[in-house]
Amino acid sequence: QSALTQPASVSGSPGQSITFSCTGTSSDVGGYNYVSWYQHHPGKAPKLIIYDVSIRPSGVSYRFSGSKSGNTASLTISGLQAEDEADYYCSSYTSSTIYVFGSGTKVTVL
Amino acid sequence: QVQLQESGPGLVEASGTLSLTCAVSGGSVSSNNWWSWVRQPPGKGLEWIGEIYHSGSSNYNPSMSSRVTMSVDTSKNQVSLKLTSVTAADTAVYHCASGSYFKWDYWGQGTLVTVSS
Repeated sequence: QSALTQPASVSGSPGQSITFSCTGTSSDVGGYNYVSWYQHHPGKAPKLIIYDVSIRPSGVSYRFSGSKSGNTASLTISGLQAEDEADYYCSSYTSSTIYVFGSGTKVTVL
Repeated sequence: QVQLQESGPGLVEASGTLSLTCAVSGGSVSSNNWWSWVRQPPGKGLEWIGEIYHSGSSNYNPSMSSRVTMSVDTSKNQVSLKLTSVTAADTAVYHCASGSYFKWDYWGQGTLVTVSS
């Protein structure tokens, strides 16, 4: 099971919106609405920010939103803030009853 | 609020066995959650190792399933990971995570394990 494909890095200025992708196959992202996203500040515990493609857990900022089209899921961060600078990973359930993570996207706030 | 704390040797000899424990506080390992281990090699992304339910049911990443054993100790409220025949490629930060319905709500900060040759 190969890792899901994410862009290595994305950057934006404070207040801007950025969107980045997570591409898999019909055996994972395309086959299930079980895509989740995690924010990871190095050295800290990863944090769940989106699950089931587009649902925000309680306490997560409305500035984070998720969507999916075909085999590609996307995460949008609106009103970019300095605290959003982190690594972001998508994950999907797969037809092999296991999970696969994305390669990770480093978000830089300019 | 569930809190997870990983612990174990920070250095393991090549060909040996990596053994880690995840202590659970603020919740029970017998709850309706799966308990997963996820690792991150230096400079690389996250990799799912496997998961276990308090009943003992488990699922492992096929890439390392022959070397992995997970267990749950309800009396100590902790979960454990054993990875045998380790090599330098197993050097990573190992995270414990828990959740249900295809997501992980809670994560530990992780513990670095270095495999020495």
